[in-house]
Amino acid sequence: QLQLQESGPGLVKPSETLSLTCTVSGGSISGSSYYWGWIRQPPGKGLEWIGSMYYNGSTYYNPSLKSRVTISVDTSKNQFSLKLSSVTAADTAVYYCARHQGPYGDRNWFDPWGQGTLVTVSS
Amino acid sequence: SYELTQPPSVSVSPGQTASITCSGDKLGNKYACWYQQKAGQSPVLVIYQDTKRPSGIPERFSGSNSGNTATLTISGTQAKDEADYHCQAWDSSTVVFGGGTKLTVL
Repeated sequence: QLQLQESGPGLVKPSETLSLTCTVSGGSISGSSYYWGWIRQPPGKGLEWIGSMYYNGSTYYNPSLKSRVTISVDTSKNQFSLKLSSVTAADTAVYYCARHQGPYGDRNWFDPWGQGTLVTVSS
Repeated sequence: SYELTQPPSVSVSPGQTASITCSGDKLGNKYACWYQQKAGQSPVLVIYQDTKRPSGIPERFSGSNSGNTATLTISGTQAKDEADYHCQAWDSSTVVFGGGTKLTVL
């Protein structure tokens, strides 16, 4: 059974870079047709897609965050990572990683999801 | 940018049918999916490709999509179905989520 687990600092200072890692178990990131994505949810609000990537480095980013986001993969560790630069209080959210069917109109869902990790931006 | 609109809240009595809508321009020409998110938990996929249920999702969950509206229907709603429900679609190389609907089972 595929499982995903987010990890990283729970507190980040304003203007610094948020860094999170998602460790995948029960399946391989590489050698499959899936993408791997990050989604966030500010407290009490809805879901916001951050971006998705394929193990070969192909990426899709939310245009509203694109200038600050980098998603990368480490196939040797079966992990993928998120970096979000120049954070502000508005970036405070629960961050989820998830397997993404892909950037395709006919198959575009996320399943399964990690448990999520709360990142607070505060000095 | 493309937007999906959901009602903030929907209420239903136990055993009745709940319908949650998701509206977007020509949404019926795209595929929609739905997630259930119970309090303090991660989202769980309940409907994909408009109408399909993942393994393990009860048959009382169904979906449709036509025109500008996708609909998630829960038949014979149970107390354990109380949760937030999020719709999602793909447009112009971007994943789009609706704002979410809180389903209350009274």
